[in-house]
Amino acid sequence: AQKITQTQPGMFVQEKEAVTLDCTYDTSDPSYGLFWYKQPSSGEMIFLIYQGSYDQQNATEGRYSLNFQKARKSANLVISASQLGDSAMYFCAMREGRGTSGSRLTFGEGTQLTVNP
Amino acid sequence: GAVVSQHPSWVICKSGTSVKIECRSLDFQATTMFWYRQFPKQSLMLMATSNEGSKATYEQGVEKDKFLINHASLTLSTLTVTSAHPEDSSFYICSARTTGFETQYFGPGTRLLVL
Repeated sequence: AQKITQTQPGMFVQEKEAVTLDCTYDTSDPSYGLFWYKQPSSGEMIFLIYQGSYDQQNATEGRYSLNFQKARKSANLVISASQLGDSAMYFCAMREGRGTSGSRLTFGEGTQLTVNP
Repeated sequence: GAVVSQHPSWVICKSGTSVKIECRSLDFQATTMFWYRQFPKQSLMLMATSNEGSKATYEQGVEKDKFLINHASLTLSTLTVTSAHPEDSSFYICSARTTGFETQYFGPGTRLLVL
């Protein structure tokens, strides 16, 4: 079974508008972490935002915010005021458990975001 | 944020040769490093996890004798693809984290083409 599901293979948004990228996860571990990474065509993986399972508030980092709905097991990424440079592949990832074995990440299939001028 | 470098960024080699890829954490001590493989239009697949000074832990289906991983210091891990074949052609990317911090920081990746 998929542990991380990104149901949107591709998304389009107009420049300056907001966009939400969906991510749902599956885990029975009470301690986990959720990450979003951006991968432009150059291939590098850029860390965007992190949400811990015990965090009470939704994480925010500049134009990025994470809409964390624990009961629904969803961790959607919201990008406000989209810019042309936001065009890239976006990956949602989850870390389960603690300690050395708990540091590995499981990635979703990704969403290709295109920002139109 | 933390910086991770990878070298080389591109490598083309003949079938049967070995290729070494270096991953370095430039401004933090990487207690754990990870090696991923990514095929075009696909997600990242974890190959192995290595802790400094310990043997790497390989994911199921990854041949440890083919993909040799060494994590000899807190700032350097190497991946050696031995006797490379065309099917080993892929994008290899490493990441690193330090104890007490959640986030993995990624290197820029290495594109390997085996002819």
